[in-house]
Amino acid sequence: KQEVTQIPAALSVPEGENLVLNCSFTDSAIYNLQWFRQDPGKGLTSLLLIQSSQREQTSGRLNASLDKSSGRSTLYIAASQPGDSATYLCAVMGRRRETSGSRLTFGEGTQLTVNP
Amino acid sequence: SAVISQKPSRDICQRGTSLTIQCQVDSQVTMMFWYRQQPGQSLTLIATANQGSEATYESGFVIDKFPISRPNLTFSTLTVSNMSPEDSSIYLCSVSQGAMNTGELFFGEGSRLTVL
Repeated sequence: KQEVTQIPAALSVPEGENLVLNCSFTDSAIYNLQWFRQDPGKGLTSLLLIQSSQREQTSGRLNASLDKSSGRSTLYIAASQPGDSATYLCAVMGRRRETSGSRLTFGEGTQLTVNP
Repeated sequence: SAVISQKPSRDICQRGTSLTIQCQVDSQVTMMFWYRQQPGQSLTLIATANQGSEATYESGFVIDKFPISRPNLTFSTLTVSNMSPEDSSIYLCSVSQGAMNTGELFFGEGSRLTVL
């Protein structure tokens, strides 16, 4: 059974700092990994999608890397801003054991606070 | 990216009643997913809604409790039946765009349900 762990659970940083959020997964047989942002009481916003054959993806101040063999992904946020404050979720799309389909497994998230 | 609308955005319900949540997508999609996010926790997949066939439920979720309809490729409903306070959660609709196992997932804003 796939397990996804995110470290740290919470992070508080001053504005302008560069930061790294970590995600690890136990089963490396994945199709892709996706990073989401969730604001309090809201749905999820897709940030970056990395396919299993890719090493990283970039969007603006965000950069996500994937090391499938070691079961790790990192989300790098450059020059953080108060508007970046949210919960960041990592989700891994892996193979189902019981069928030929796939299954998305979420981590518990990292709650980020960027202080002005 | 897909635009997903959910209704209601929030509701307060009495124990023993049922509530139907609607999910509308701005484009045709093959697979739609329903997730639950209990307070302070990450997301758990309830079921996959397939157009023209019965939904596929995850372990721990049954059709009698969470009946799902999928009448066409842009719409789905999830009903939470005979509600109890333990059903208080955010319920999220999601769709996958792209290939079945490697597509990017998009989420609605969620429906926050409080059961008294």
